[in-house]
Amino acid sequence: EVQLVESGGGLVKPGGSLRLSCAASGFTFSAYTMAWVRQAPGKGLEWVSSISSSSNYIYYADSLKGRFTISRDNAENSLYLQLNSLRADDTAVYYCARVNSGYNLDWGQGTLVTVSS
Amino acid sequence: NFMLIQPHSVSESPGKTVTISCTRYSGNIASNPVQWFQQRPGSGPITVIYEGIQRPSGVPDRFSGSIDVSSSSASLTISGLKTEDAADYYCHSYDRNNYWVFGGGTRLTVL
Repeated sequence: EVQLVESGGGLVKPGGSLRLSCAASGFTFSAYTMAWVRQAPGKGLEWVSSISSSSNYIYYADSLKGRFTISRDNAENSLYLQLNSLRADDTAVYYCARVNSGYNLDWGQGTLVTVSS
Repeated sequence: NFMLIQPHSVSESPGKTVTISCTRYSGNIASNPVQWFQQRPGSGPITVIYEGIQRPSGVPDRFSGSIDVSSSSASLTISGLKTEDAADYYCHSYDRNNYWVFGGGTRLTVL
């Protein structure tokens, strides 16, 4: 069974940093493109970033303007998202997703990041 | 880039059929496949349709997807509505640069 478990969320002050993790199990992690998607409270889904299986291809939403960095460790079956220079509008649940063929996504349950002073 | 526009909400009675639209502004809806995700309150999303018309294993065949090139829109149809189908539904696609785009979401009420 595919399992994606996000962690690392919490309360952080504006301007602060946070590192999110996604622990993957139940499949060959190194074979799949992975992604992060976020959802602000009461709002819709917003794509954050994607990373190919070998980290050769990395994409970010333009709105992030270089503040976020996606990475992965295939030996540890883990996906990461480094969040820097956090702002109040970065407050959201951050979901990890496995990208199957045809964008049939498998999703985690999310981790909440709250940016507030 | 392009936008995907969905109605904010739809409602229908149990046992009936409902269709949720997703209209692409800028570009051809058939340029890249459309996916549909269901999100129940308090839960993460799940895929109910991918590649426009495909259903993941475990998704009931009451869920179906279609594309209308003439109106540049995709649709999700749910037949034989059940109360458990009440959720937010999001369409999704991507562009030639592998940037993802989500529709704003449609809240389905089954009453």
